[in-house]
Amino acid sequence: GAGVSQSPSNKVTEKGKDVELRCDPISGHTALYWYRQSLGQGLEFLIYFQGNSAPDKSGLPSDRFSAERTGGSVSTLTIQRTQQEDSAVYLCASSQQRDQPQHFGDGTRLSIL
Amino acid sequence: KNEVEQSPQNLTAQEGEFITINCSYSVGISALHWLQQHPGGGIVSLFMLSSGKKKHGRLIATINIQEKHSSLHITASHPRDSAVYICAVRGGGADGLTFGKGTHLIIQP
Repeated sequence: GAGVSQSPSNKVTEKGKDVELRCDPISGHTALYWYRQSLGQGLEFLIYFQGNSAPDKSGLPSDRFSAERTGGSVSTLTIQRTQQEDSAVYLCASSQQRDQPQHFGDGTRLSIL
Repeated sequence: KNEVEQSPQNLTAQEGEFITINCSYSVGISALHWLQQHPGGGIVSLFMLSSGKKKHGRLIATINIQEKHSSLHITASHPRDSAVYICAVRGGGADGLTFGKGTHLIIQP
């Protein structure tokens, strides 16, 4: 189907390693969001991309987190020097424009040992 | 920063019952979303609204902008409606959504 695709679906890594998570949004969607779902915290916003505008990074929890969106399509979320508290499901969503229904990927379950 | 409160946190009902889930938020918004998440499953957008009322099948969502309150109703509930229902808002100058903690709904046959 033509939904939001995320990879990998699961990632287990050792504390201190860097990880890259990928999101392929629905074709033609200009808005792309990254969220995190943790057991104790619920869902929280991380970063928002709209077209070629500068992203809203206000939700990133620390400078170990970064994201980019190349060519207005695929996005990668990078976590450097992972910590155990980074363990969560990382969700990507896209929409045609901001304030349109968001389509969510299945997420990447990240486990930091 | 917007605060989003949902009630109830947990709800167990019998098949066929009319279900209401409530969501209140603290500052003005541009949009409110209702999302559904099945156990172990992905998140599906049910509604996005900024005013009035929307209906899709057995689901109805309403919003009162003045009272900063929204409700999600399920008519003729069915066990397949069992899921976590999440209210989320965009407002207060933020680009991303602020989420409620969700309502865990169980519909017993």
